[in-house]
Amino acid sequence: EAQVTQNPRYLITVTGKKLTVTCSQNMNHEYMSWYRQDPGLGLRQIYYSMNVEVTDKGDVPEGYKVSRKEKRNFPLILESPSPNQTSLYFCASSSEGLDTEAFFGQGTRLTVV
Amino acid sequence: QQQVKQSPQSLIVQKGGISIINCAYENTAFDYFPWYQQFPGKGPALLIAIRPDVSEKKEGRFTISFNKSAKQFSLHIMDSQPGDSATYFCAAVSGAGSYQLTFGKGTKLSVIP
Repeated sequence: EAQVTQNPRYLITVTGKKLTVTCSQNMNHEYMSWYRQDPGLGLRQIYYSMNVEVTDKGDVPEGYKVSRKEKRNFPLILESPSPNQTSLYFCASSSEGLDTEAFFGQGTRLTVV
Repeated sequence: QQQVKQSPQSLIVQKGGISIINCAYENTAFDYFPWYQQFPGKGPALLIAIRPDVSEKKEGRFTISFNKSAKQFSLHIMDSQPGDSATYFCAAVSGAGSYQLTFGKGTKLSVIP
């Protein structure tokens, strides 16, 4: 089954404790990205990657890091989480081409206290 | 700067009625306009999409209307059903090899029996 898998689905952590949210896709997609979803703000892109070892900032990259060492994986790293990073996070992947469908993971609900 | 403006923020429609969600954009480089549907606890999923060389696209009960000169597009859901209750996001993608989705803020649709 074609899918994007995020882990964990839920996470509560304390301010300053480094964490990683994993994302894996099994569709051999070149393009992967991370979004955060906040009430009234919609989906905002954090980082994206057009292929292995190629990443770039989205609209809200501050406080986040990513890496793309393998085509299938695109982890999101919060080196020193803060309460304003409490949000619902989505990973997405898509193949090359303009009119391509983005496939989203199930989401990770992160709470930073 | 919000590049895709979506309205209304929430919408309540009676079963069998027509749901209409509107979006407007400013960036003339956008040339692919998808709509995503999100149910609670799930990631967004592609619903329907349109290219700007087409004024209307219909898939079942869902229709996109596109007005290139006004830089506006809308989603119409005919014969709305309670199962259509979800959050709907319009989005835009610019061409020239870009895979970046720019989302509107979303519309929460509730279809009441």
